Amino acid sequence: QTVVTQESSLSVSPGATVTLTCGLSSGSVSTTNYPSWYQQNPGQSPRTLIYSTTSRSSGVPDRFSGSILGKKAALTITGAQADDESTYYCVLYMGSGVVLFGGGTKLTVL
Amino acid sequence: EVQLLESGGVLVQPGESLRLSCAASGFTFSNFGVSWVRQGPGKGPEWLSGISSSGGGPYYADSVKGRFTMSRGTSENTLYLQMNSLRAEDTAVYHCVKHQSSYYHGFDVWGLGTTVSVSS
Repeated sequence: QTVVTQESSLSVSPGATVTLTCGLSSGSVSTTNYPSWYQQNPGQSPRTLIYSTTSRSSGVPDRFSGSILGKKAALTITGAQADDESTYYCVLYMGSGVVLFGGGTKLTVL
Repeated sequence: EVQLLESGGVLVQPGESLRLSCAASGFTFSNFGVSWVRQGPGKGPEWLSGISSSGGGPYYADSVKGRFTMSRGTSENTLYLQMNSLRAEDTAVYHCVKHQSSYYHGFDVWGLGTTVSVSS
């Protein structure tokens, strides 16, 4: 059974750049997986950041960007801010209508 | 403004059934895919089921296939999730989610969710 993999936790200093990645337990991530990224704070619904690999959702600051890096999808935060401290989920389309969430990356800004 | 409002979540006993509803507004419902996503206590989100605007689906995660049935309302902007043979592990907040497109190019707007608790 295919699993979507993410770093369980990362930390970044304020103002620095951090890259979160999203892979597959078997195979490579490509644009046909339509990688998307969601930010979730405690007690809130997830918020859409990036869809279709690189498209930024309405109202999302341009310090958030999506890409494919090698065999993985990536979310890069350039100039991290304190309120970027959150949990980030990657979602991949696996074909035949099936969508899979990654386990999430807890990002600490310190 | 795009809004999704889920309802129907309650406390039920194992083995019982429940139907959740999601009322959509602020967009042309028939033009976009929609999904149900749940999040158990202390867990990450889990995609359950999706349906496209072009007639594809419903599609289901293996964890709920055969027990859950997703449908669109025929004359109103409403989405349903019929859940049968509920188990303790189905305890979660259930969200309906609008897609960016006719099916999956990413999720767009999330509802606040409705809470289902399964316990004896």
